[in-house]
Amino acid sequence: GQNIDQPTEMTATEGAIVQINCTYQTSGFNGLFWYQQHAGEAPTFLSYNVLDGLEEKGRFSSFLSRSKGYSYLLLKELQMKDSASYLCAAMDSNYQLIWGAGTKLIIKP
Amino acid sequence: GAVVSQHPSRVICKSGTSVKIECRSLDFQATTMFWYRQFPKKSLMLMATSNEGSKATYEQGVEKDKFLINHASLTLSTLTVTSAHPEDSSFYICSAPTREPWAQYFGPGTRLLVL
Repeated sequence: GQNIDQPTEMTATEGAIVQINCTYQTSGFNGLFWYQQHAGEAPTFLSYNVLDGLEEKGRFSSFLSRSKGYSYLLLKELQMKDSASYLCAAMDSNYQLIWGAGTKLIIKP
Repeated sequence: GAVVSQHPSRVICKSGTSVKIECRSLDFQATTMFWYRQFPKKSLMLMATSNEGSKATYEQGVEKDKFLINHASLTLSTLTVTSAHPEDSSFYICSAPTREPWAQYFGPGTRLLVL
């Protein structure tokens, strides 16, 4: 079956770095997405990886290893506004997104 | 990035009434749109895939007669919750995919409360 695993909750300190991991098993693979979702709001797009390697976008970076079925989202210079849920989603062979349950990130001063 | 709008943002209705939610892609065309439902502190649950010019594809366990989907044009999809009941109260979110680059953009969501 298809499955996405990511930690339920993580805590980090303002100004620090945090890495949120995601492992996936899908029928075929057409890329890995990361989304940020603040409480009560819809998700917002952060990144898309389809090739192995690291994609950097400002304070956020996303990494993909297709052979390992593994991705991570790296957040640097954490700010209080980064407190949110981070959703990992893999696109299967039918171009359908398979969603993880999300990782709630708590930032402490 | 691309913009998807959703209307209304919040609706309160009486049990037994029908509620229509609109999803529009504002600056791109979308032959496909997705409708999700999300309960508090839970992940997104895909309800159905809306296809322009053809019938929607519903996920297992989603009643197609209760959740009517119409993809009227390349920029508009509607979800109608028919004969709403309190258990239909939820956060409904639509999204539309773009290609090159691949992404999926979400509308702001509609919070439905059925009394």
